[in-house]
Amino acid sequence: QKEVEQNSGPLSVPEGAIASLNCTYSDRGSQSFFWYRQYSGKSPELIMFIYSNGDKEDGRFTAQLNKASQYVSLLIRDSQPSDSATYLCAVSGGFQKLVFGTGTRLLVSP
Amino acid sequence: DVKVTQSSRYLVKRTGEKVFLECVQDMDHENMFWYRQDPGLGLRLIYFSYDVKMKEKGDIPEGYSVSREKKERFSLILESASTNQTSMYLCASSLGLIGLAGVPGYNEQFFGPGTRLTVL
Repeated sequence: QKEVEQNSGPLSVPEGAIASLNCTYSDRGSQSFFWYRQYSGKSPELIMFIYSNGDKEDGRFTAQLNKASQYVSLLIRDSQPSDSATYLCAVSGGFQKLVFGTGTRLLVSP
Repeated sequence: DVKVTQSSRYLVKRTGEKVFLECVQDMDHENMFWYRQDPGLGLRLIYFSYDVKMKEKGDIPEGYSVSREKKERFSLILESASTNQTSMYLCASSLGLIGLAGVPGYNEQFFGPGTRLTVL
């Protein structure tokens, strides 16, 4: 069974700080990795994807991938209260499916 | 922008009723998915479809069926609703052509707004 593990949180950070969200996965053959943001009562929204080892930056967000360690992370710089949400990590699960973690709840306090 | 729409945001049904949830995407995506999301359990795949009239079971298909008669439309059917099917149901689609898994642009899934189903 392919698994994606995330700490459920909540992860609490003050406004302006860096939030670091982590995810590990079990399938070494996974090729693509995604971060979704989900506000309470809403559906997941894709915010980042990464396919290659290393870092990928998009505005205040940086995704980091280490395939050798089977580890994906999401850094949010200058965290804002509007970033408070649940962040889902998803990993390609074969035949175009994604396997989702259960999410980490992030709370950014003003 | 990809747009995925679902027929209802909220639905209340009685035990034993047949329930239809519809999903439509407007970006000519090949793949469509149905998930349910429950607190503490995350997103669980019910069924997916990679082509018209094609369907594959996901992780929790029991009690559900699906229909994909047109490329843009994917329906989830609860043959006889039960209280343990009370959940948030999410539809998603991806461009994903067979053989292009792992190629940037083909695996990203885009979600509809969700249907919160309550079975009494």
